[in-house]
Amino acid sequence: AQKVTQAQTEISVVEKEDVTLDCVYETRDTTYYLFWYKQPPSGELVFLIRRNSFDEQNEISGRYSWNFQKSTSSFNFTITASQVVDSAVYFCALQETSGSRLTFGEGTQLTVNP
Amino acid sequence: DGGITQSPKYLFRKEGQNVTLSCEQNLNHDAMYWYRQDPGQGLRLIYYSQIVNDFQKGDIAEGYSVSREKKESFPLTVTSAQKNPTAFYLCASSISSGGQFYNEQFFGPGTRLTVL
Repeated sequence: AQKVTQAQTEISVVEKEDVTLDCVYETRDTTYYLFWYKQPPSGELVFLIRRNSFDEQNEISGRYSWNFQKSTSSFNFTITASQVVDSAVYFCALQETSGSRLTFGEGTQLTVNP
Repeated sequence: DGGITQSPKYLFRKEGQNVTLSCEQNLNHDAMYWYRQDPGQGLRLIYYSQIVNDFQKGDIAEGYSVSREKKESFPLTVTSAQKNPTAFYLCASSISSGGQFYNEQFFGPGTRLTVL
């Protein structure tokens, strides 16, 4: 069965620090998709990125970057030069070919202090 | 603007009462989903629907019911059989691509249900 583990429950940093959120997944499928979502205090989940299992290129979008390593089943998320507005809960999720459901990790609460 | 709306934002219910949470989307998405989120935890899938008049149970369907009579609407009823219904409920939708649902899910703002 699929599983997503976000071992860091809470992370606290000072503004402008870089921070990496870890995500480790388990799946038996060879084709799957990985996602990151942001949940600000308002509660709505905001989609950040989708990556399929055949694309191991790292991706950068502004201050955000993602490191996908199939060999270690990890899909880590780095925020460079963090800002207070980055404070939120971040979820990693896995979607297998066998169904449409997303399996979420338990989330990492990121707090960026001024 | 296109998006997903959920109402109400906050809902209070007495024990033993059924309550229905609304979810509407104008994104023309085929698939819709209901998730439950408890404090400090991830999202758990309650029900999902890939097409009108069809839906499937998720991981925690007991005590819940849904209907999908219209493409844009997917209401969730929390019945009195749900033993611990106090939680944050999120509705989502996604595009269907040839029967494969690998596209990202878009989420509504959520409904916070409290049982008194």
